[in-house]
Amino acid sequence: NAGVTQTPKFQVLKTGQSMTLQCAQDMNHEYMSWYRQDPGMGLRLIHYSVGAGITDQGEVPNGYNVSRSTTEDFPLRLLSAAPSQTSVYFCASSYSDSLAYEQYFGPGTRLTVT
Amino acid sequence: GENVEQHPSTLSVQEGDSAVIKCTYSDSASNYFPWYKQELGKGPQLIIDIRSNVGEKKDQRIAVTLNKTAKHFSLHITETQPEDSAVYFCAASNSNYQLIWGAGTKLIIKP
Repeated sequence: NAGVTQTPKFQVLKTGQSMTLQCAQDMNHEYMSWYRQDPGMGLRLIHYSVGAGITDQGEVPNGYNVSRSTTEDFPLRLLSAAPSQTSVYFCASSYSDSLAYEQYFGPGTRLTVT
Repeated sequence: GENVEQHPSTLSVQEGDSAVIKCTYSDSASNYFPWYKQELGKGPQLIIDIRSNVGEKKDQRIAVTLNKTAKHFSLHITETQPEDSAVYFCAASNSNYQLIWGAGTKLIIKP
């Protein structure tokens, strides 16, 4: 199993550009989440999905969209990049019946917005 | 809303000594408390967790204690080794069964 994979590993965007961060998992997990990690702030939940076709907002959803057309894939879209979205983004999945439990994280995407 | 505070932000210990990281939380409904380890350039990895009906849990050199009355929980690492160097995060579940994360502790093991 590859686990949770994320692409790209690094990305630089100009303000106003859009892009999609890819996330895929091969563990047949129902629950998937996107977090951003900023220095001194821990991880903050952006959006999550409890199964294909179902998504919901987390703590910091503004400026981001998600969709879940398959169990395996959970892309995160930045609609119009802003410098405040400079961060490291992590995708996670979980097989349990709760978002909280036993999450498996991808290696992250480091995004810089200039 | 729920808040999780983690201390210290940096901890430097001699190899072989013990390390303790402490977290406090604000939501009395929290019932799940995991600890994650993040190595450089990687995503966080679950190393141990505890639920509210248990006061202590141990896994080899790692232990977690929970004091629900005081709303704090701690990670204890004994006989520290160079591979223990990493950033450690605590978290607590909120009423929506999502995790609220601490800010992280950078643990440095000195040879």
